[in-house]
Amino acid sequence: DVKVTQSSRYLVKRTGEKVFLECVQDMDHENMFWYRQDPGLGLRLIYFSYDVKMKEKGDIPEGYSVSREKKERFSLILESASTNQTSMYLCASSLVSGIAYEQYFGPGTRLTVT
Amino acid sequence: AQTVTQSQPEMSVQEAETVTLSCTYDTSENNYYLFWYKQPPSRQMILVIRQEAYKQQNATENRFSVNFQKAAKSFSLKISDSQLGDTAMYFCALSNTGKLIFGQGTTLQVKP
Repeated sequence: DVKVTQSSRYLVKRTGEKVFLECVQDMDHENMFWYRQDPGLGLRLIYFSYDVKMKEKGDIPEGYSVSREKKERFSLILESASTNQTSMYLCASSLVSGIAYEQYFGPGTRLTVT
Repeated sequence: AQTVTQSQPEMSVQEAETVTLSCTYDTSENNYYLFWYKQPPSRQMILVIRQEAYKQQNATENRFSVNFQKAAKSFSLKISDSQLGDTAMYFCALSNTGKLIFGQGTTLQVKP
């Protein structure tokens, strides 16, 4: 079974702090994704990566950056956390590029910025 | 712009009954996939069912089936013989580039 893990289930940070959210997948998947989930808005794509050191912006990249130094690990970085970044963050991975391929999700990190 | 709309924020159903969750979408592409994902309370999101736009036959996975109406751009999920474990948030999603576009989600409560 594919396993996608995220470093924290719950995180509380202060405004202005630099925040790192880590995601690791154990099935040698090429693609990895970061989403945020907000009530009434569904999931929105922040960034994705289709290869090591490669990244592309999603629909809402402002205020975020990412890092993929190793194939199995994809990090989301909030350079200076703000209260409007309080949300649930979900990481996902998929085997290869292609419209048919299922994405496998991590358990999510609920981030609160105070 | 591609969009996915789920107009039912919350639904409930009695155990063993059938429920249908609605989803409409908009895309100008001819080749795409549609998905239903399930997110149980405090648990990871998992794929329930997928449908290729070129296939006219509706996809079925055990108690889960879809009604895919391509011309109407409608993709509803039917859950038969609802079980307590079906309680979850359900997301409809569209893919034509390998990226998923999600709807707003429908919270389904199965009552004993």
